[in-house]
Amino acid sequence: EAGVAQSPRYKIIEKRQSVAFWCNPISGHATLYWYQQILGQGPKLLIQFQNNGVVDDSQLPKDRFSAERLKGVDSTLKIQPAKLEDSAVYLCASSLDLSGAGEQYFGPGTRLTVT
Amino acid sequence: SQQGEEDPQALSIQEGENATMNCSYKTSINNLQWYRQNSGRGLVHLILIRSNEREKHSGRLRVTLDTSKKSSSLLITASRAADTASYFCATDPAGNMLTFGGGTRLMVKP
Repeated sequence: EAGVAQSPRYKIIEKRQSVAFWCNPISGHATLYWYQQILGQGPKLLIQFQNNGVVDDSQLPKDRFSAERLKGVDSTLKIQPAKLEDSAVYLCASSLDLSGAGEQYFGPGTRLTVT
Repeated sequence: SQQGEEDPQALSIQEGENATMNCSYKTSINNLQWYRQNSGRGLVHLILIRSNEREKHSGRLRVTLDTSKKSSSLLITASRAADTASYFCATDPAGNMLTFGGGTRLMVKP
């Protein structure tokens, strides 16, 4: 079974530039998550989709972050404009569980450096 | 502050020893999960224990849950160098999303 795919794996941008990350979940997984993991900390949920609808985006900084999941499969997360404090690893995860509280499968992440 | 907090933040042991890490949380949960993260394999689910369970085993892993104390422990027996990683507990305080702790960084020396 193919795992969660993410791209790019690494990205370096200057502050105020924009960046987009892509995620392809495990086939058949209805629930998709984006997490931000700052160095030395645990992952923090940014947004959760069930199919193509948003379940929870309470921790997404909506003035600069946006995410979509067209057709309920692939998803993109965008940051515009980026700030220095956005430097982190952005993890995508998916699950069969519809509640959001079950086992999640994580992708390798995209390491973002904002200079 | 985070829902789950792991203790200790860092742990260094010799190969063959047991490693114990703890997680404390603040609000009621439906289940608690443990994940491992290393540079090679990313973040991987280890075990899920439900609020009505007290202990669960998976291979060399043993997880306990004490809902009265709002705490859980992860025991890795007969540790190996390959167990070197960060270990995170994750809880579902609202029942519909996971909240991760800050992690315990485990180093197993050969």
